[in-house]
Amino acid sequence: QSALTQPASVSGSPGQSIAISCTGTSSDVGGYNYVSWYQQHPGKAPKLMIYDVSNRPSGVSNRFSGSKSGNTASLTISGLQAEDEADYYCSSYTSSGSLVFGGGTKLTVL
Amino acid sequence: EVQLLESGGGLVQPGGSLRLSCAASEFTFNKYAMNWVRQAPGKGLEWVSIISASGGSTYYADSVKGRFTISRDNSRNTLYLQMNSLRAEDTALFYCAKTGYTSGPEHLPLDKWFDSWGQGTLVTVSS
Repeated sequence: QSALTQPASVSGSPGQSIAISCTGTSSDVGGYNYVSWYQQHPGKAPKLMIYDVSNRPSGVSNRFSGSKSGNTASLTISGLQAEDEADYYCSSYTSSGSLVFGGGTKLTVL
Repeated sequence: EVQLLESGGGLVQPGGSLRLSCAASEFTFNKYAMNWVRQAPGKGLEWVSIISASGGSTYYADSVKGRFTISRDNSRNTLYLQMNSLRAEDTALFYCAKTGYTSGPEHLPLDKWFDSWGQGTLVTVSS
């Protein structure tokens, strides 16, 4: 199972909005509404930010939102803040019964 | 607050074995499917395995199938990963991760999202 495709890096200035894409196939992202997003700061464990494409766990800022169109899911962060600088990973259920992650995107807040 | 504490990592030679443990607390352990996820140094996340709440059902990534065995002891609130025939490419930080919702005791959730993670235990496979 190949990893989902994410941009290696994205950047934005404080207060701006950015979007991170996550592209798969009809056997994973496009076939199921089982896409999740995780934030990982250096040296820390991942933190769940979005599940089931667009659901936000309690305690996660509403500046984070998720969506999906076809085989591509997206994480949007609005009102960028310095503490949003981190690595972000998407994941999706696959038709083989497995779970696949994206390669990760490094977000830099300028 | 959910607590997950991994242990058992270390340096092992290629072909060797290691057993990882994950001690869980502050939630009803026997109600949740549990997972192992790994991260090679400087690399991305890779899902490894899942076990149902009762321990009766398991599933593995192709990369570890036949070499790794996931298990759990609900009386001890502990998750395990037995790793055999280790290879250099298994070198990684191994996290245990709790599935974010309860499911049937034998059920392996299709919708795998993880609301709690441990801090990881490092496995290094090298001669």
